Parts: sequence; C-alpha cells; structure tokens
Amino acid sequence: AQSVSQHNHHVILSEAASLELGCNYSYGGTVNLFWYVQYPGQHLQLLLKYFSGDPLVKGIKGFEAEFIKSKFSFNLRKPSVQWSDTAEYFCAVNAGQAGTALIFGKGTTLSVSS
Amino acid sequence: DAGVTQSPTHLIKTRGQQVTLRCSPKSGHDTVSWYQQALGQGPQFIFQYYEEEERQRGNFPDRFSGHQFPNYSSELNVNALLLGDSALYLCASSFGQGHYGYTFGSGTRLTVV
Repeated sequence: AQSVSQHNHHVILSEAASLELGCNYSYGGTVNLFWYVQYPGQHLQLLLKYFSGDPLVKGIKGFEAEFIKSKFSFNLRKPSVQWSDTAEYFCAVNAGQAGTALIFGKGTTLSVSS
Repeated sequence: DAGVTQSPTHLIKTRGQQVTLRCSPKSGHDTVSWYQQALGQGPQFIFQYYEEEERQRGNFPDRFSGHQFPNYSSELNVNALLLGDSALYLCASSFGQGHYGYTFGSGTRLTVV
C-alpha cells in the first residue's frame, strides 16, 4: 500500500528565510505527486503537481518541488517565505496507473514570523 | 470559491446516531472522493465513487457508506456514530482517474458528543 511521510511536523521561519519541506513516499510503481496547502479556515488548495517529465516542478506563489525517483522524495521549496505562507502543507501521492486514491502525509505546519 | 460544495458546514450528533453528509462536485468532474481529517492529521481516504459505484475504499469500517447520484453528487453516511468519528469530512472531486488533480471542498465539521 502507498504511504507518505512528511518529516517536519512544525517549521518556524522568519520572513525571507528559505524553506524546504521533506516528503517521502513508498510505492514501487509510477506515481503522481502533489503538494496541497491549507490556510487557516480555508479549503485545501493545490500548490503544484508532478506527473511526468521535468522532475523540477514549479507551482503557484513561488513554490517549487523536485521529484527524485531514486530517493522516493518530492520535497517542497521556496527561496524566500512571506508571512502569508503561514499554513498547513500536505504532500500527497496516487498510483499513476493502478489506483486513483490520493494518499496524504500527516502535514507540516509552517509558521512565518514577520 | 472551491467549486466543490459540501453541506452542512457544521454538525453535532450524539453517539449511536446516524449522519448524512452531502457533496456537489466541481462542474465537469465525474468522480467524488471522501476523506476524514482528524485534528492535526492529514486527510485519510474513505472511498471514491465513479459512475455511481464505489471504485476504491480505504481502511474504514462498514459503518461508513456512500452513494453517488446520476448528477455526480454524492452522500457519505455514517451509522452508529462513535466519539472517534468527530473530524472534518472532506469531499474532493476529480475527472476520471484523478491524474490532473483533485478539487477539495471546505468540509463538514462533525462533532459527536
């Protein structure tokens, strides 16, 4: 069965600091990878997704993620965070061919101080 | 606007009761998935409906059941409610296999007392 691990439970940064959130998945086949963000009191929103091709994926709001197949990782990065990036971040995966259920990690809370 | 509409937004039920949650998918989407999100946790997959049939199911007991209607809207039913069923229930819609992403609703906050 697929599973997703997010290593950082709570990350605290100052504005303008760089961000990297770790995500590892376990599944041997083709996968689709996603990062979702949940701002306080709002619904889950898609930040970026990877299906195939260039392993470096750029998303909204200056976020990017790199798929490293050999490490089963899909880490999220942002060069300079803003106070408005304070939110819960979820990594998710679904099997590219065999299944369709989107499996989530437990999430990382990002707190950015101004 | 999430595009996916869930109702009600909040609900309080007593242990042992039954509850029905509703979801209208984003226009153009034909697949509905349901998730349970406990406080401080990631969403847990309950099941997915496509063409009015349950296509895939997560590790949830039979007390959790669902239905999809011809207009693609969906219901989640939970019988014999337990205190541990208190959570945010999310509906996500997608097209086909979901390879192009899922759109989530704002959820229904269920509290069991």
